[in-house]
Amino acid sequence: KAGVTQTPRYLIKTRGQQVTLSCSPISGHRSVSWYQQTPGQGLQFLFEYFSETQRNKGNFPGRFSGRQFSNSRSEMNVSTLELGDSALYLCASSLDRGTGVSYEQYFGPGTRLTVT
Amino acid sequence: GQNIDQPTEMTATEGAIVQINCTYQTSGFNGLFWYQQHAGEAPTFLSYNVLDGLEEKGRFSSFLSRSKGYSYLLLKELQMKDSASYLCAVRAYQTGANNLFFGTGTRLTVIP
Repeated sequence: KAGVTQTPRYLIKTRGQQVTLSCSPISGHRSVSWYQQTPGQGLQFLFEYFSETQRNKGNFPGRFSGRQFSNSRSEMNVSTLELGDSALYLCASSLDRGTGVSYEQYFGPGTRLTVT
Repeated sequence: GQNIDQPTEMTATEGAIVQINCTYQTSGFNGLFWYQQHAGEAPTFLSYNVLDGLEEKGRFSSFLSRSKGYSYLLLKELQMKDSASYLCAVRAYQTGANNLFFGTGTRLTVIP
């Protein structure tokens, strides 16, 4: 079974630009979560999608958005990039069936975004 | 909000035992996970506790006390490859959904 894949793996953008990152979950997983990881803040939750609906959202500005497609693939978008957005963006999928029962998350390799 | 605390760094000797502690304060607690993350790699799942007690999985064990808001990860027979960051993550059921909140991680260095 293939793992979680993310594209691109590395990205360099300049301030003010926008960026779209893609995540393909493990087959059969309907829940996709996005995290931002920086050395100072650790892993911070961005948002979670389940069955094409944003189920929860972390404490990030509206410049960060996402969506999920019918095949569970997900994208996140960051508009008007700032230097502080430089980070590793991780996507994780889980077998969550929306019943409130917890399942472990499987992480993709991440997209390393550098904003100059 | 969530408050998850774990030591920033630890050092232990190859072959020894090390215990990494995690304390948390949260509403809607719905499980605690431990993840391992090697430098430059994605986190990988180690263990999951939702009830009080010890869960053992090979060289790794994890303990949970919900009343104390406390967990620990125990690593036995340390190997050099165990040098990594260990992330404590609390799942909380809030506003109709489960979310996972991570601590900042404990960087473990195993020395010969």
